[in-house]
Amino acid sequence: EAGVAQSPRYKIIEKRQSVAFWCNPISGHATLYWYQQILGQGPKLLIQFQNNGVVDDSQLPKDRFSAERLKGVDSTLKIQPAKLEDSAVYLCASSIRTGGVFFGQGTRLTVV
Amino acid sequence: AQSVTQLDSQVPVFEEAPVELRCNYSSSVSVYLFWYVQYPNQGLQLLLKYLSGSTLVKGINGFEAEFNKSQTSFHLRKPSVHISDTAEYFCAVSDYTGTASKLTFGTGTRLQVTL
Repeated sequence: EAGVAQSPRYKIIEKRQSVAFWCNPISGHATLYWYQQILGQGPKLLIQFQNNGVVDDSQLPKDRFSAERLKGVDSTLKIQPAKLEDSAVYLCASSIRTGGVFFGQGTRLTVV
Repeated sequence: AQSVTQLDSQVPVFEEAPVELRCNYSSSVSVYLFWYVQYPNQGLQLLLKYLSGSTLVKGINGFEAEFNKSQTSFHLRKPSVHISDTAEYFCAVSDYTGTASKLTFGTGTRLQVTL
């Protein structure tokens, strides 16, 4: 079974630029998550989708972050404009009900 | 609201020694509990999970954890560690709402295994 796929693995951008991350969840997983993991901290949920609808985006900085999950499969997370404090690893994950949450390898973003 | 406390930020241990990584949680509803491991520059890998039933849960790589409802704890243990167990370990709690899990993570414990 293929895991959660993310791209790119690494990205370096200047502040005020925009960036987008892509995620393809495990086949058949209706729930998709984006987490932000700042160095030395545990992952923090940014947004949770159930199929193509948003379940929870309470911790998503909506003035600069946006996410979509068209057709209930792939998802894209965008940051525009980026700030220095956005430097982190962005993890995509997917799940089915109580089967556990499975994570991709993440995208390491460095904002300079 | 839920929260997870991992009491130790770092745990140094010699190879072949036993180890326990501590995790306490807080929640007003029934929860599911998880341990994840993160190797350098990798995503999180599920070690084990407690959903219901036996309070002693066995996972991959020889790890196990015990759910203690009265002490609101879910400590991770391994009787004999290996160098390759060096990694960051995260405890997480989920408030299953009937549709999907939403994980809240602790701050992590760095397990450093040396010879």
